[in-house]
Amino acid sequence: AQSVTQLDSQVPVFEEAPVELRCNYSSSVSVYLFWYVQYPNQGLQLLLKYLSGSTLVESINGFEAEFNKSQTSFHLRKPSVHISDTAEYFCAVSTQSSVSKIIFGSGTRLSIRP
Amino acid sequence: KAGVTQTPRYLIKTRGQQVTLSCSPISGHRSVSWYQQTPGQGLQFLFEYFSETQRNKGNFPGRFSGRQFSNSRSEMNVSTLELGDSALYLCASSLGRYNTEAFFGQGTRLTVV
Repeated sequence: AQSVTQLDSQVPVFEEAPVELRCNYSSSVSVYLFWYVQYPNQGLQLLLKYLSGSTLVESINGFEAEFNKSQTSFHLRKPSVHISDTAEYFCAVSTQSSVSKIIFGSGTRLSIRP
Repeated sequence: KAGVTQTPRYLIKTRGQQVTLSCSPISGHRSVSWYQQTPGQGLQFLFEYFSETQRNKGNFPGRFSGRQFSNSRSEMNVSTLELGDSALYLCASSLGRYNTEAFFGQGTRLTVV
């Protein structure tokens, strides 16, 4: 079975400051890794994903995440946040045999202070 | 291209009643998955349908069921509602069973009183 741990339930940061949202996973098989974002009263949107290949993946809005197999981590980073990044972020995994069965972490609420 | 559409957006039901939620996937998408989101348990996988067949199931009681139609639209049903079933129910669609990009609808907020 797979599991995902998001180490911080809330992360407050100032606008234009860097941020890191931490995620660790557990699995006995190879996994696909995802970060999803949820804005208030909205569904989930895929931010970025790691399937294979380069361990550093980037999104179009400046976020990046690095897959670290030895530490079983997939932390999300952004060098400079904006007010519009205020949302809840979910780290998630699935496997090759059950791609559509996504296992989510408990979420990290990112709040940006002006 | 229209996104994933879930209806209704909000629903209030009484304990013991049953409820049916609907999900229309993105055109051309054949896989539909359902998730329950609550403050206490977070996001939990309910089930996945592909080609009108349930392919994967989460750890929920038999009161939770679903189906998929030939046009890929899906419904989920919860019978004998309990207060703990109050949640945001999210539907996700993807092109196929092994496609890694899932698109989520805005969800149906179910309140059981």
